[in-house]
Amino acid sequence: GQQVMQIPQYQHVQEGEDFTTYCNSSTTLSNIQWYKQRPGGHPVFLIQLVKSGEVKKQKRLTFQFGEAKKNSSLHITATQTTDVGTYFCAVMGGGSNYKLTFGKGTLLTVNP
Amino acid sequence: NAGVMQNPRHLVRRRGQEARLRCSPMKGHSHVYWYRQLPEEGLKFMVYLQKENIIDESGMPKERFSAEFPKEGPSILRIQQVVRGDSAAYFCASSPPGSGEQFFGPGTRLTVL
Repeated sequence: GQQVMQIPQYQHVQEGEDFTTYCNSSTTLSNIQWYKQRPGGHPVFLIQLVKSGEVKKQKRLTFQFGEAKKNSSLHITATQTTDVGTYFCAVMGGGSNYKLTFGKGTLLTVNP
Repeated sequence: NAGVMQNPRHLVRRRGQEARLRCSPMKGHSHVYWYRQLPEEGLKFMVYLQKENIIDESGMPKERFSAEFPKEGPSILRIQQVVRGDSAAYFCASSPPGSGEQFFGPGTRLTVL
């Protein structure tokens, strides 16, 4: 089945520093989604990227989809304590348009 | 519009007991998905259901696990004769027809003693 590798597994930053998490696949992806899960919470959909080279912004969050559609990144500018949580990428896999395959996530902690 | 609802939020069972997890999708959503999350892991797909139909159960363990989504009422994930390895967070998600975006419920955290 389709797999995505996500790095780093953990990232600890000082408040105000930037943060980036990366998602990589060995195969071409039709699209990629990003989710945020707060500690003890549930995944919350952030965005879906579909087009090669696509860049989307949500306030301090910037999402990119690689030209070859094999990798993606989420960048947070000037982190805040409210950014704490685990960020997951997820892809539709197995020839389906519904089965999400999640990366293992990057746990972000922010020191105030 | 209420979100996806799951209950119970926390469930404790002893080995050998049964666990029943319930999920009510968002209003207007006819597609339900169940995922399992082990500690410090990503979510793993278990099963995809529409009303009265199991569409894909390729992620479900072959034994002890079953799921249903009846015509009336919530979707149920049933785990018989639970073992310690079943301890995890179980998330339900729903989506409207034709949409790739899945909305997740708060999850049921199952602990098997």
